[in-house]
Amino acid sequence: AQSVTQPDIHITVSEGASLELRCNYSYGATPYLFWYVQSPGQGLQLLLKYFSGDTLVQGIKGFEAEFKRSQSSFNLRKPSVHWSDAAEYFCAVGGKGAQKLVFGQGTRLTINP
Amino acid sequence: DTGVSQDPRHKITKRGQNVTFRCDPISEHNRLYWYRQTLGQGPEFLTYFQNEAQLEKSRLLSDRFSAERPKGSFSTLEIQRTEQGDSAMYLCASSLSLGTEGGEAFFGQGTRLTVV
Repeated sequence: AQSVTQPDIHITVSEGASLELRCNYSYGATPYLFWYVQSPGQGLQLLLKYFSGDTLVQGIKGFEAEFKRSQSSFNLRKPSVHWSDAAEYFCAVGGKGAQKLVFGQGTRLTINP
Repeated sequence: DTGVSQDPRHKITKRGQNVTFRCDPISEHNRLYWYRQTLGQGPEFLTYFQNEAQLEKSRLLSDRFSAERPKGSFSTLEIQRTEQGDSAMYLCASSLSLGTEGGEAFFGQGTRLTVV
């Protein structure tokens, strides 16, 4: 069965500190992987995606993620967080056609000033 | 604004009433998806359309739920005889499929349903 696990429900970091959000997936075929961000009461905005090729992908707002097939992981990183990064982050997996996405439970990010 | 738009943004209804939500996808996108998101959870897939054809429905989509996409443009999601358990955020997304490639999905801001 397809599934996504985000082990950390809530993470707090200080402004300017580095960030890593974990994502592990289970998928029977070649996965298409995504990270979305959601502000309170809003829809989802795509941060970055991995379809194929270079396993280190760059996204918007200074985020990057690395696909590690051997670990079934797609962790999201940012070298220095800003207060505006406080939000909910969702990892998702889909198939080649990306007809439907399976989302993780989400990680809520709080930024300390 | 050329993004995905959903209407209404918020809906409060009494248990047992019917509600209908509308989604207008990005104009050139041929795929449209509906998801449901409850508090503290990630979105869960409900159904998707390619043009006007509804190609897949989740087990979550009970008989009280129906979705349409006439003429392959906007879509509606209707919930009949609403129950308190239907309270959730209903998200619409669209994407451009090229051959067998699904393309990335762009999400609307959602419709928040509260059943009282």
